[in-house]
Amino acid sequence: SQQGEEDPQALSIQEGENATMNCSYKTSINNLQWYRQNSGRGLVHLILIRSNEREKHSGRLRVTLDTSKKSSSLLITASRAADTASYFCATDAGANNLFFGTGTRLTVIP
Amino acid sequence: EPEVTQTPSHQVTQMGQEVILRCVPISNHLYFYWYRQILGQKVEFLVSFYNNEISEKSEIFDDQFSVERPDGSNFTLKIRSTKLEDSAMYFCASRAQGVGEQYFGPGTRLTVT
Repeated sequence: SQQGEEDPQALSIQEGENATMNCSYKTSINNLQWYRQNSGRGLVHLILIRSNEREKHSGRLRVTLDTSKKSSSLLITASRAADTASYFCATDAGANNLFFGTGTRLTVIP
Repeated sequence: EPEVTQTPSHQVTQMGQEVILRCVPISNHLYFYWYRQILGQKVEFLVSFYNNEISEKSEIFDDQFSVERPDGSNFTLKIRSTKLEDSAMYFCASRAQGVGEQYFGPGTRLTVT
């Protein structure tokens, strides 16, 4: 299975702090994506990083990818209470089917 | 902004009954997907669909499941004879040609009693 695994499973931080979530996967990938899910809601695409990229930024999000270690990290800077959600990494091996990790539950305390 | 829609938002059915979950993908997207998420677990790929046929399916997508694009806008998932373990949130997603991002609908919560 190429499914990713995130750590930590849960993260609680104060508003304004940075949050870092990690993802590991097992097989070669075409790209890796991060999604957010608010409780009981759908998945919202955050950012995609291709296998030949090492770092990507989007607003307060920074994603890194290390294909040699089969790992990725998502950094949310200057967190806000509205960032409270579950965050999932999802790998795409080229067939464009996504395989999701177990997710990190982020709680940002105002 | 265009979005994927799904109906119903919640479906309750008895074991053994057939259910059809409906999705309207984003209009210019060509690739369509169904995923499911059992409560508290990870999101799991079920099936992908392109050019009016299944591209790939997972082990979960057995003979009880089928997908259809009956017209130019809807994309449906049918479960012929529901089991208790089919209770989950079912997400539809769509993707445009040449990009990797998938856009997810809000989901249908299926409860099998």
